[in-house]
Amino acid sequence: DIVMTQSPDSLAVSLGERATINCKSSQTVLYSSNNKDGLAWYQQKPGQPPKLLIYWASTREFGVPDRFSGSGSGTDFTLTISSLQAEDVAVYYCQQYYSSPLTFGGGTKVEIK
Amino acid sequence: EVQLVESGGGLVQPGGSLRLSCAASGFTLRSYWMHWVRQSPGQGLVWVSRISSDGRTTTYADSVKGRFTISRDDAKNTLYMQMNSLRAEDTAVYYCARSGGAYNLWGQGTLVTVSS
Repeated sequence: DIVMTQSPDSLAVSLGERATINCKSSQTVLYSSNNKDGLAWYQQKPGQPPKLLIYWASTREFGVPDRFSGSGSGTDFTLTISSLQAEDVAVYYCQQYYSSPLTFGGGTKVEIK
Repeated sequence: EVQLVESGGGLVQPGGSLRLSCAASGFTLRSYWMHWVRQSPGQGLVWVSRISSDGRTTTYADSVKGRFTISRDDAKNTLYMQMNSLRAEDTAVYYCARSGGAYNLWGQGTLVTVSS
């Protein structure tokens, strides 16, 4: 199984400042068929299901604000919130969909400082 | 409206059974791989099972293999999870999710509590 390790477990950022979340996979998640990484980022607010933010490591889902961006390749990935807003308080998860079993990172809780 | 609506959760004793349903609207289930993901109280997301778009391939997490069965009724456009021999550690919110690679549509979840 591919193990997804997120860091940090939590972070507190001031409004308008940058938040950075890291995700490391225990092995590559690169699809040779399209040369894209099978890595997604989700946002989950309390009492709600997760919401897809980013797929193929860096493609923003339709309707997601452009302050959210994904980067990285191979085994190291990053989700960046360029200017934190109050509505961004949530837990963020990375997920690999390259191989079964699909696996998630442990989550990063983002709060306002 | 494109949505997934789960039902069937509840309180069940250890060793008991439940069947979860996930009704799809606004799209056809058989066009997508569909998955079940669960989340224990206060914990992270864990993949449980998936079924291929043609319904021929099913896959399970080791923790539920042999106890859970995923299926689909195309006429009703509904996904199911039959859960048998339930254990306390199966207590969780169960989500169905549509896969286009990543999960681009989630249901609101249904809570399963296994307790005596």
